[in-house]
Amino acid sequence: DIVMTQTPLSSPVTLGQPASISCRSSQSLVHSDGNTYLSWLQQRPGQPPRLLIYKISNRFSGVPDRFSGSGAGTDFTLKISRVEAEDVGVYYCMQATQFPLTFGGGTKVEIK
Amino acid sequence: EVQLVESGGGLVQPGGSLRLSCAASGFTFSSYEMNWVRQAPGQGLEWVSYISTGGSTIYYADSVKGRFTISRDNAKNSLYLQMNSLRAEDTAVYYCAGRVDYWGQGTLVTVSS
Repeated sequence: DIVMTQTPLSSPVTLGQPASISCRSSQSLVHSDGNTYLSWLQQRPGQPPRLLIYKISNRFSGVPDRFSGSGAGTDFTLKISRVEAEDVGVYYCMQATQFPLTFGGGTKVEIK
Repeated sequence: EVQLVESGGGLVQPGGSLRLSCAASGFTFSSYEMNWVRQAPGQGLEWVSYISTGGSTIYYADSVKGRFTISRDNAKNSLYLQMNSLRAEDTAVYYCAGRVDYWGQGTLVTVSS
């Protein structure tokens, strides 16, 4: 199974300041079709997960452009350019390159 | 508006069974691969099962293999999860997800005597 490791576990951020979350996979996420199926999900308190980013860097419909994804191979990053109050929650990276699908342990973003 | 609505959760004794349902609307259900993902209380996300658009390809997490069965009815825009031989460690909120694009609100399954 592919293990997804996120850092940090928690990220206290000042409103309006940037935040960055790292995700590392135990093996390359490049699929045989050439795509890299690495997604980022947001889970606000008491809510279901919500897709933010798919295939490393593509924002899903309705996702604000302050969210961006980057990376390749085994190392990936989610950045929030200017954190807003509604961004509080837990962020998960997830790989869908290979079954079983696996998630990172989550990074809690909170306001200082 | 895309909607996924899970139902069928509840309290069940160890060894018991439950059948979860997920009703989809607002998107072309038959074109979407579907997943069940669960989240134990206070924990992270765990993938449970996958089914292809036509139902011919199915995968399970090792933790549920042989006990859970995923199925779908494209004519009814519905996804199902039959859960047998339930254990305490199956206690979680179960989400249905269209790929990982769309998620339902979840249904709570509690396995306890």
